[in-house]
Amino acid sequence: AQSVAQPEDQVNVAEGNPLTVKCTYSVSGNPYLFWYVQYPNRGLQFLLKYITGDNLVKGSYGFEAEFNKSQTSFHLKKPSALVSDSALYFCAVRDGERAAGNKLTFGGGTRVLVKP
Amino acid sequence: NAGVMQNPRHLVRRRGQEARLRCSPMKGHSHVYWYRQLPEEGLKFMVYLQKENIIDESGMPKERFSAEFPKEGPSILRIQQVVRGDSAAYFCASSPAGVYADTQYFGPGTRLTVL
Repeated sequence: AQSVAQPEDQVNVAEGNPLTVKCTYSVSGNPYLFWYVQYPNRGLQFLLKYITGDNLVKGSYGFEAEFNKSQTSFHLKKPSALVSDSALYFCAVRDGERAAGNKLTFGGGTRVLVKP
Repeated sequence: NAGVMQNPRHLVRRRGQEARLRCSPMKGHSHVYWYRQLPEEGLKFMVYLQKENIIDESGMPKERFSAEFPKEGPSILRIQQVVRGDSAAYFCASSPAGVYADTQYFGPGTRLTVL
């Protein structure tokens, strides 16, 4: 079984300050990890992923995430937040073993509010 | 370079009616996934399909729900005899086959309201 936890329902940050959105996961095989962002009444937009390789992954809109195997975490970060980053962020995991299939398991989401 | 397309964007049904949700994957993508998002919750996997095949339906309710992805045309998620608890946003995602299959790209969703 695979699972994702996003411990914070909401994160508030002032514009220009660093933004961190936390994610921890559980999966039996190798983790494939993803971050998506959802704006109101819209679908999910892909931000970045970790499959293998460097633990620090860079993605769209200045976001990055760090894979930490020992802590089973994949926290999303942005050095300087913008008001336009205010949205709902989802972490997702997939078991990398082929037999496990392609389905994504999502966390409950973290709402980010960036104040001017 | 159209993305994943879903229609309708909004669907209103009365209890007991049928709902049909359509999804056209991105060009070149042969894998389709359906997810459901209940209000204030994350997305829950429902079904994974390839052309003419259901690969994984472990997230589909046992009754009233069905999905298909025919050789020609969009993927269809069908909900028979809808109930108020079916009210949710239904998202379709697609991915290519092969080594790039790991990233799923999502459509804008269909918001189903059951009266």
